[in-house]
Amino acid sequence: DTAVSQTPKYLVTQMGNDKSIKCEQNLGHDTMYWYKQDSKKFLKIMFSYNNKELIINETVPNRFSPKSPDKAHLNLHINSLELGDSAVYFCASSQDLGDGQPQHFGDGTRLSIL
Amino acid sequence: QKEVEQNSGPLSVPEGAIASLNCTYSDRGSQSFFWYRQYSGKSPELIMSIYSNGDKEDGRFTAQLNKASQYVSLLIRDSQPSDSATYLCAVIQGAQKLVFGQGTRLTINP
Repeated sequence: DTAVSQTPKYLVTQMGNDKSIKCEQNLGHDTMYWYKQDSKKFLKIMFSYNNKELIINETVPNRFSPKSPDKAHLNLHINSLELGDSAVYFCASSQDLGDGQPQHFGDGTRLSIL
Repeated sequence: QKEVEQNSGPLSVPEGAIASLNCTYSDRGSQSFFWYRQYSGKSPELIMSIYSNGDKEDGRFTAQLNKASQYVSLLIRDSQPSDSATYLCAVIQGAQKLVFGQGTRLTINP
């Protein structure tokens, strides 16, 4: 059983399109995250949610909108895709916001903008 | 100054030797530290966590933490070719905000 699963695994689309990435975790965790890993492999947090409530919102363009319908799901919608959005997007989860809780990552969604 | 800094490598180590990976961080209030391993094209995988000063051992891996020097390291003993990967140092800041270093690419040479 995959603990943190993301779909799709690959996403190739044109500039200007709108796309969504879905994430689900079956670990019973309260907290979920979105990270972006750029072409230089630098991994940076974008958002976190705890029990459907937005906790962290880094300086991300407002074209990116996360949505958490319940604590097991955190989706990422991206409007008006740009070339610079090409990256691997990772979803992660942790037990809760307690200090030091390790985060477990999904397999990533590789987004390529043409 | 970067929040979490690692030598990007590549670091080449002969098989069977000890690989030593280093990381420094800027936030003196940080309390939780992690090492993730990432194979090419795969997701980061947690291999070690450390919260207090000193050494923590798990199999062939030893994490070392020195909060006064704001320094975390990972030692891999008896290095195997399967240990070849990028190793990411990560530090918790604030409300579970995990800040990563740029990663050190490690190659174990048979």
